[in-house]
Amino acid sequence: QVQLVQSGAEVKKSGASVKVSCKASGYIFTEYAIHWVRQAPGQGLEWMGWINAGNGNRKYSQKFQGRVTITRDTSASTVYMDLSSLGSEDTALYYCARVTGTYCDYWGQGTLVTVSS
Amino acid sequence: QSALTQPASVSGSPGQSITIFCTGTSSDVGGYNYVSWYQQHPGKAPKLMIYDVTNRPSGVSYRFSGSKSGNTASLTISGLQAEDEADYYCNSFTISSTYVFGTGTKVTVL
Repeated sequence: QVQLVQSGAEVKKSGASVKVSCKASGYIFTEYAIHWVRQAPGQGLEWMGWINAGNGNRKYSQKFQGRVTITRDTSASTVYMDLSSLGSEDTALYYCARVTGTYCDYWGQGTLVTVSS
Repeated sequence: QSALTQPASVSGSPGQSITIFCTGTSSDVGGYNYVSWYQQHPGKAPKLMIYDVTNRPSGVSYRFSGSKSGNTASLTISGLQAEDEADYYCNSFTISSTYVFGTGTKVTVL
């Protein structure tokens, strides 16, 4: 069965960077893309970017351009999301999700990133 | 890219039908038939309910349906049930080859 397992919760200081991983299993990793979506406490979903796991092509939301980097390791069937220059507004639950066509059909369990000053 | 506009809340009695609207622009909702809808219960990951405007994934109740007119997409829940109480988000592909979510709608079953 398809599974996306994310890395554990992180606590970071303002100005630091965080790297969240998303390990895929149960399907051919390189045949699908992965989206990253975040949700601040009590707030809505926010799309951050995506990567084609096959060819590595990426696209980011303009809001995060320059601060986010999404990469993948095909040998490990894992996608990574690196967010730099963290501020308190980056405290959120970060999700990875598999993309089929134009929609997300499987989601990771979420990784809580807490940014403290 | 601004978030798509959804009403903050919609409510209905059990058995009734409700519709949630999602308004964008010609650069997103209006330009592509790539609108999806997600249901999210508290503390849970989002769940796909509708994709490509009108398509329902297997396992999703027939009570959920989607449509689009111009720059506005909509999700209709018919025969409202207590388990439908959740947050709902629309999502659209955009002209920049990115995606954007709606602001989210809290559905309350009275």
